[in-house]
Amino acid sequence: GESVGLHLPTLSVQEGDNSIINCAYSNSASDYFIWYKQESGKGPQFIIDIRSNMDKRQGQRVTVLLNKTVKHLSLQIAATQPGDSAVYFCAENIPPGGYQKVTFGIGTKLQVIP
Amino acid sequence: GAGVSQSPSNKVTEKGKDVELRCDPISGHTALYWYRQRLGQGLEFLIYFQGNSAPDKSGLPSDRFSAERTGESVSTLTIQRTQQEDSAVYLCASSLLWGLSGNTIYFGEGSWLTVV
Repeated sequence: GESVGLHLPTLSVQEGDNSIINCAYSNSASDYFIWYKQESGKGPQFIIDIRSNMDKRQGQRVTVLLNKTVKHLSLQIAATQPGDSAVYFCAENIPPGGYQKVTFGIGTKLQVIP
Repeated sequence: GAGVSQSPSNKVTEKGKDVELRCDPISGHTALYWYRQRLGQGLEFLIYFQGNSAPDKSGLPSDRFSAERTGESVSTLTIQRTQQEDSAVYLCASSLLWGLSGNTIYFGEGSWLTVV
């Protein structure tokens, strides 16, 4: 079936460098995308979202890019810090059906090297 | 409360026993979700509540799993006759609205279930 997937299961980045985490989705009907961060032993935490009518959205140190042509989503983290070490999940919303059903990818583990 | 609250945070149970996991969503959130996460894996959708109704139970793995929600607030996920493959983190989440794309889903810390 259609699903969200990630290219890299583990990403190691030097502290201070920029990180790019990629995600591929296959459901062309998806209209809303979310990135979550999950630290060890904790629940996923919302980072940033983007609607399908946008191609870029910026937050604090994070930017999400959406390329609907190739069904690709990326999360960019500027000046990566040790506290950014976590598993990052992308999620897509497949509308309606009268409710919001969010499908999560496998996740990418980001390791920040001090 | 300020966030989604789940209890117990950790549960060790013997194979064959029943367990109940509780979720208190953010006050006023009409939508409530249960997900399962096995060790090192992604999030697996289990069930969704709109108010007290569960329009989508398609993710429940078997008839040993059931869930209910009362007062458009607290939800309980029950696993009967637990098996070792049920060992996982059970995550509850809530969002303000339903039927509208773009609602942020907020997660609890999860209930860690170990079946021995």
